[in-house]
Amino acid sequence: DIQMTQSPSSLSASVGDRVTITCRASEDISNYLAWFQQKPGEAPKSLIYAASSLQSGVPSKFSGSGSGTDFTLTISGLQPEDFATYYCQQYKTYPLTFGQGTRLEI
Amino acid sequence: QVQLAQSGAEVKTPGASVKVSCKASGYTFTNYGVGWVRQAPGQGFEWMGWINPKNANKSYAKKFQGRVTMTTDRSTSRAYMELRSLRSDDSAVYYCAREARGGDYDYWGQGSLVTVSS
Repeated sequence: DIQMTQSPSSLSASVGDRVTITCRASEDISNYLAWFQQKPGEAPKSLIYAASSLQSGVPSKFSGSGSGTDFTLTISGLQPEDFATYYCQQYKTYPLTFGQGTRLEI
Repeated sequence: QVQLAQSGAEVKTPGASVKVSCKASGYTFTNYGVGWVRQAPGQGFEWMGWINPKNANKSYAKKFQGRVTMTTDRSTSRAYMELRSLRSDDSAVYYCAREARGGDYDYWGQGSLVTVSS
């Protein structure tokens, strides 16, 4: 199985900041990489697919980059509603696998 | 608007089975796959499998093969996930999700909490 490793596991930031989360795959997954946001008690919300494409309705403050094994999610102009846990997920091969999550805290 | 509405919480005893439903609306059900993912309390996500409502093709994670069955009912736009021989470590929130592009899950259900306890 492809292992997905996120860093950091937690991150403290302030409103208005710009933050970057990293995701590394244990093997080449091309651009088959998605990013999700999850708030406590809620279902995941898809943000990005194909490493850098925004899902419909997702604001442009979210951006993704990378290819192969190394990927990043950048969030600009943090607002209170952005404080959540973020996950990466590869869909290059089954079984689909997820990173362990990055908790973004105020 | 696309919605995936899942069945409610369940409490099961060890060894029992659970069947979670997922009703799709706002899109053509047979045009997209349905994936199932679970999340144990305070844990990350675990992919369980996927089914294509158009032709019933499916793929299960090895961990669950022999214990899970995924089905769909095109007449009601519902997907189902049945897990048998439940153990305490099967306690989790189970999500269905629409597969947009070969594993990219663009919409998720609200989750169904399954608790396994004697």
